[in-house]
Amino acid sequence: GESVGLHLPTLSVQEGDNSIINCAYSNSASDYFIWYKQESGKGPQFIIDIRSNMDKRQGQRVTVLLNKTVKHLSLQIAATQPGDSAVYFCAQEGGYNKLIFGAGTRLAVHP
Amino acid sequence: EAQVTQNPRYLITVTGKKLTVTCSQNMNHEYMSWYRQDPGLGLRQIYYSMNVEVTDKGDVPEGYKVSRKEKRNFPLILESPSPNQTSLYFCASSFEGLSNQPQHFGDGTRLSIL
Repeated sequence: GESVGLHLPTLSVQEGDNSIINCAYSNSASDYFIWYKQESGKGPQFIIDIRSNMDKRQGQRVTVLLNKTVKHLSLQIAATQPGDSAVYFCAQEGGYNKLIFGAGTRLAVHP
Repeated sequence: EAQVTQNPRYLITVTGKKLTVTCSQNMNHEYMSWYRQDPGLGLRQIYYSMNVEVTDKGDVPEGYKVSRKEKRNFPLILESPSPNQTSLYFCASSFEGLSNQPQHFGDGTRLSIL
C-alpha cells in the first residue's frame, strides 16, 4: 500500500550544525509534499511544502529537496538550534484529499 | 488568533461509554480532518470533510463517526469506545483540499479507553 517512511528514527546534532532529515515515499503520483514539526504536547506545525513540479524550495533556515526519480524527500535545517528539537514528519498528498504521513524522525540538538 | 481548538485535551473513560471530541476552527476553512497518532505509525487519517454536510472516510474510520453541520465544527464521535481506540487524536483544517494547502492542527486530545 501507499506509505511514507523515514530512514532514521532519531537524529542527534550539535547546536550550530546543519541537519538533514530524509524521507522516502511510495506514491509517485503525489503532487504535493509537506514537512511538519511536532513539539512535545503540541500538534504538528507546518514548516515547508513543495509541489512536484519543483525540486527545491527554501524557507527561513529550512530547505526542502524533492527527488522524484528516487522518490526521496529531505528537509535541511541550517544552523540547528535547541528550539529545533522536535519530531519531524514528512507527508504526501495521497489522493482523495488524504495526507499520508511518515512515522517521524526525532531531532535532538545538543549544546 | 487563528487556531484549531479541540476539547477535551485529555479523557480517561471506559469501554462502551459514548464520547465526543469537539473540534472548532476560526479560519473559515472548508476542509477539516481527524487523525489518530500512535507510536511508530505516524498520523493516520480517520475521516475528513471537504465542506458542510460532506464527509468521507480516511484510512482508519472503523469505530468512529463524524458530522459537519457547520463550517467551523467537526466533532469526532466514538459510539462505543474500545481499548484499541486509546490514542492521541488531532483535528486539522485547511482552506481548501490538500492539493496545495498545508493543514493547521489542533494541540491534540489524548484518549484512554479502559
